[in-house]
Amino acid sequence: EAGVTQFPSHSVIEKGQTVTLRCDPISGHDNLYWYRRVMGKEIKFLLHFVKESKQDESGMPNNRFLAERTGGTYSTLKVQPAELEDSGVYFCASRGTGSNEQYFGPGTRLTVT
Amino acid sequence: QKEVEQDPGPLSVPEGAIVSLNCTYSNSAFQYFMWYRQYSRKGPELLMYTYSSGNKEDGRFTAQVDKSSKYISLFIRDSQPSDSATYLCAMRISGGYQKVTFGTGTKLQVIP
Repeated sequence: EAGVTQFPSHSVIEKGQTVTLRCDPISGHDNLYWYRRVMGKEIKFLLHFVKESKQDESGMPNNRFLAERTGGTYSTLKVQPAELEDSGVYFCASRGTGSNEQYFGPGTRLTVT
Repeated sequence: QKEVEQDPGPLSVPEGAIVSLNCTYSNSAFQYFMWYRQYSRKGPELLMYTYSSGNKEDGRFTAQVDKSSKYISLFIRDSQPSDSATYLCAMRISGGYQKVTFGTGTKLQVIP
């Protein structure tokens, strides 16, 4: 069974540009989470999807971040326009219904210069 | 004040040592407690998952929860070089959609 995959693994962009991160969850997992780790800080929750619906967006830092989950499958997280403080590692995790375990992807390292 | 406090280390021990990793938390609503292991350039991997106060053992790993003191621990017996990684404590409230709150992680190095 394939795990959670994320693309790209690393992205370097300039301040003011747009970046889109993609997450492919484990097949059949309805729950999809986005987390972020800023350097020196803990991994923090951003938002949670159940299928294509956003259940909890309480961790999204501001309206420059837009997450979507088309058809309840893969998800994208767009940052527009990117700021220096957006640099960090963005993790995606998925969980099957009735399970307690979230499976994490390898993360996308975003560097904003 | 952070909801979860974890000593970032780094912690360096000789092979075969017993390792003790700890976290404290302030939110009494946390009911589920987890330990994740993260290797460099990889995502966190769930190691242990506990609910009640007390001990839970899985091979060389023992997770301990003391809800009255808001303190959790992970013990690794007979540590191996392959245990070298960052260990993250994590917790969540009961119900809801299982949003997880993490500690900063402790970097562990086991020296052969």
